[in-house]
Amino acid sequence: KQEVTQIPAALSVPEGENLVLNCSFTDSAIYNLQWFRQDPGKGLTSLLLIQSSQREQTSGRLNASLDKSSGRSTLYIAASQPGDSATYLCAVRRGSYNTDKLIFGTGTRLQVFP
Amino acid sequence: NAGVTQTPKFQVLKTGQSMTLQCAQDMNHNSMYWYRQDPGMGLRLIYYSASEGTTDKGEVPNGYNVSRLNKREFSLRLESAAPSQTSVYFCASTMRSFNSPLHFGNGTRLTVT
Repeated sequence: KQEVTQIPAALSVPEGENLVLNCSFTDSAIYNLQWFRQDPGKGLTSLLLIQSSQREQTSGRLNASLDKSSGRSTLYIAASQPGDSATYLCAVRRGSYNTDKLIFGTGTRLQVFP
Repeated sequence: NAGVTQTPKFQVLKTGQSMTLQCAQDMNHNSMYWYRQDPGMGLRLIYYSASEGTTDKGEVPNGYNVSRLNKREFSLRLESAAPSQTSVYFCASTMRSFNSPLHFGNGTRLTVT
């Protein structure tokens, strides 16, 4: 059974710091891994999607890496800002064409203070 | 662009009452999903629909039913609500392609007393 773990559960950093969020999964047979952001009381917004054949994806100050063999992904946030404060979730997508599912981690709650 | 729209945003039910959560997407997506989010449990898949006319159970389907009314709409029904179904419910959709991102609605916060 695929399990997805995110460490740490919560993180508080001062503005301007570079930081890394971690995601690990137990079964390397995945199609892709996605990172999401969730603001309080809102739905999830997709940040980055890394295909199983890729090593990393970048969008602005965000960089996500994927190491399938070790079952790990990291989300790197450069020069953090208070507006980055949110919960970040990773999810792996696996299954057959007719039964694909996303398995989510429980998230890392990030607070960036001025 | 509306994206994924869920109604209602909030609902309070008494034990035993029934209700239907509505979800619609305007992105011509094939696959649609219902998740529930509980503190410390993360998001858990209730039901999903890979395409119009098909539905399948997820991790926690007991106590729920779904209907894929057409390509745009996917509803979730609670026939006899229980306090254990107090949660935030999210609908999501994506193209039927393994490398398309998932798009979420803003959720329905349900309380069952």
